[in-house]
Amino acid sequence: QLQLQESGPGLVRPSETLSLTCSVSGGSIRSGSFYWGWIRQPPGKGLEWIGSIFHSGSTYSNPSFRGRITLSVDTSKNQFSLQLSILSAADTAVFYCARWLLPVAGSGGLFDYWGQGTLVAVSS
Amino acid sequence: QSALTQPPSASGSPGQSVTISCTGTTSDIGGYGYVSWYQQHPGKAPKLMIFEVNKRPSGVPDRFSGSKSGNTASLTVSGLQAEDEADYYCSSYAGSGLVVFGGGTKLTVL
Repeated sequence: QLQLQESGPGLVRPSETLSLTCSVSGGSIRSGSFYWGWIRQPPGKGLEWIGSIFHSGSTYSNPSFRGRITLSVDTSKNQFSLQLSILSAADTAVFYCARWLLPVAGSGGLFDYWGQGTLVAVSS
Repeated sequence: QSALTQPPSASGSPGQSVTISCTGTTSDIGGYGYVSWYQQHPGKAPKLMIFEVNKRPSGVPDRFSGSKSGNTASLTVSGLQAEDEADYYCSSYAGSGLVVFGGGTKLTVL
């Protein structure tokens, strides 16, 4: 059974950079046509897709973040990471990592395995 | 890239059916057949309920069904049960690797 687990600081100061890591167990991050994504959810609000990365390093990012996102992958550790810079209070959210199947030939476009989420507060 | 539009709330009595809509554009729902739906209970991670418009993952009851017409997708929950009370989010592929979510619908079982 595939499992994903987010890790990172629970509190970050405004204007700083957030670094989160997602550790994948029960399967290889290099298997199949799967991308590995980040989604966030501000308290009491909806889900927002942040970006996705393939094990080769190919990435897709939400344009709404205006270049504040850096995605990376470490296949040797079966992990992938997110850096979000120039933080403000509006970035306070639960951050989820999830496995995403890239749509190809009529199949895909789904997040099938999710981590439990990690709450990140941006405050001085 | 704008969020998909969902009604903030929906409700139904046990045993009834309820349908939640999700409206997008020709750049997402209308342009692609990759709509998925997620169920989220308070304090929990989202769970995939429907993918590729109308397919159910293994283990999801057949009370849950999905459809799409034009730029609008729908999730129908038949035979409502107490455990169906949760937030539901739609999502669509928007081309070029982009993903968009709906604002979420809180489903209440009366």
